[in-house]
Amino acid sequence: AAGVIQSPRHLIKEKRETATLKCYPIPRHDTVYWYQQGPGQDPQFLISFYEKMQSDKGSIPDRFSAQQFSDYHSELNMSSLELGDSALYFCASSPPSGADTQYFGPGTRLTVL
Amino acid sequence: GESVGLHLPTLSVQEGDNSIINCAYSNSASDYFIWYKQESGKGPQFIIDIRSNMDKRQGQRVTVLLNKTVKHLSLQIAATQPGDSAVYFCAELARYNAGNMLTFGGGTRLMVKP
Repeated sequence: AAGVIQSPRHLIKEKRETATLKCYPIPRHDTVYWYQQGPGQDPQFLISFYEKMQSDKGSIPDRFSAQQFSDYHSELNMSSLELGDSALYFCASSPPSGADTQYFGPGTRLTVL
Repeated sequence: GESVGLHLPTLSVQEGDNSIINCAYSNSASDYFIWYKQESGKGPQFIIDIRSNMDKRQGQRVTVLLNKTVKHLSLQIAATQPGDSAVYFCAELARYNAGNMLTFGGGTRLMVKP
């Protein structure tokens, strides 16, 4: 079965640079969620989109923004990167009709040097 | 704020034994819970879920128990195998306006000894 696709899988950036992470949800899923997981920590919710509209916002820094496109894929844009932004970034998707289960992608490992 | 957490950070079991991983939650309004398995460098993998109108739900080799009275959740893995070694997270669904946000508890690392 098709899963959530994330790209790139690994990304290395310098401080103050920008990064764009992409997420392709499971086909026919209309809701996308972004999570950040630091080393040895739990995933922390950042932001979510439903039908291309932002639905919830968690602990997402102002330096980050995200959007969902007409094909339901989503991009997380990160600017003025800091060392503390180094983490695994996961995207999850859930199907329509108010389904609660979230299915996670493999993640993007971002390293900021 | 309200949060989900786990009692034990590491659980070591012998292959073939049963494993029990516990989780406490504090948001009494939560009505949906998920257990995820996360292997090193991979995304959380859905294992099993349970809604608050149920006390028990069984899957293949896994059982989730929900005790709403004491706000406790547990994951039981029968006949634990080496492939079960991973970090296990419980997650609680908080409902806000138009969307749903998962709050993860601290993970428990399960180590299976051959």
